[in-house]
Amino acid sequence: GESVGLHLPTLSVQEGDNSIINCAYSNSASDYFIWYKQESGKGPQFIIDIRSNMDKRQGQRVTVLLNKTVKHLSLQIAATQPGDSAVYFCAENPHNAGNMLTFGGGTRLMVKP
Amino acid sequence: GAGVSQSPSNKVTEKGKDVELRCDPISGHTALYWYRQSLGQGLEFLIYFQGNSAPDKSGLPSDRFSAERTGGSVSTLTIQRTQQEDSAVYLCASSLGPTETQYFGPGTRLLVL
Repeated sequence: GESVGLHLPTLSVQEGDNSIINCAYSNSASDYFIWYKQESGKGPQFIIDIRSNMDKRQGQRVTVLLNKTVKHLSLQIAATQPGDSAVYFCAENPHNAGNMLTFGGGTRLMVKP
Repeated sequence: GAGVSQSPSNKVTEKGKDVELRCDPISGHTALYWYRQSLGQGLEFLIYFQGNSAPDKSGLPSDRFSAERTGGSVSTLTIQRTQQEDSAVYLCASSLGPTETQYFGPGTRLLVL
């Protein structure tokens, strides 16, 4: 999920397959991580979050995995649906630098029917 | 309940003019954030308000940018003497407290001609 300007990394999956979106974060002091979904023309929508005292958290059809050793975060979407097509951003909250979020560059998920 | 609302949804202005963007946070949320999203990019932090504390302005790109939050609720982001590079989507978020999940509004799309 590194920022590449206009050319977002794109993940194309078949409807019904599982999707895995990856993100590398930068601040080892970050203790809170969030995944957002952003559809065209809309603001980011909260999906799931995880705190640094956990390595896995599950929601409805989504799972977030946190590997603090390599500073890696992933979002798994089960049985991907066309409505899941969007840009997905990971964000970290380095509390030692304030309460603002630092966002990754985003990954575009395209679901083929 | 009602989410974060922003107005206007779109704004076209001429270079050199001032603009004001408004954010209505979720009722009861004490923390309010402004971010900027340039085309195809991730979100960039601008400014953060928490309760009655002095705002964190560390993300403002220049002294042409300022923000206020009146009565601990509505916030206005002002950009003076707009430049073409100010063209972006300006997103507002609010959270129940400083370490809680941030919920975003739909954004204001600013185009400076």
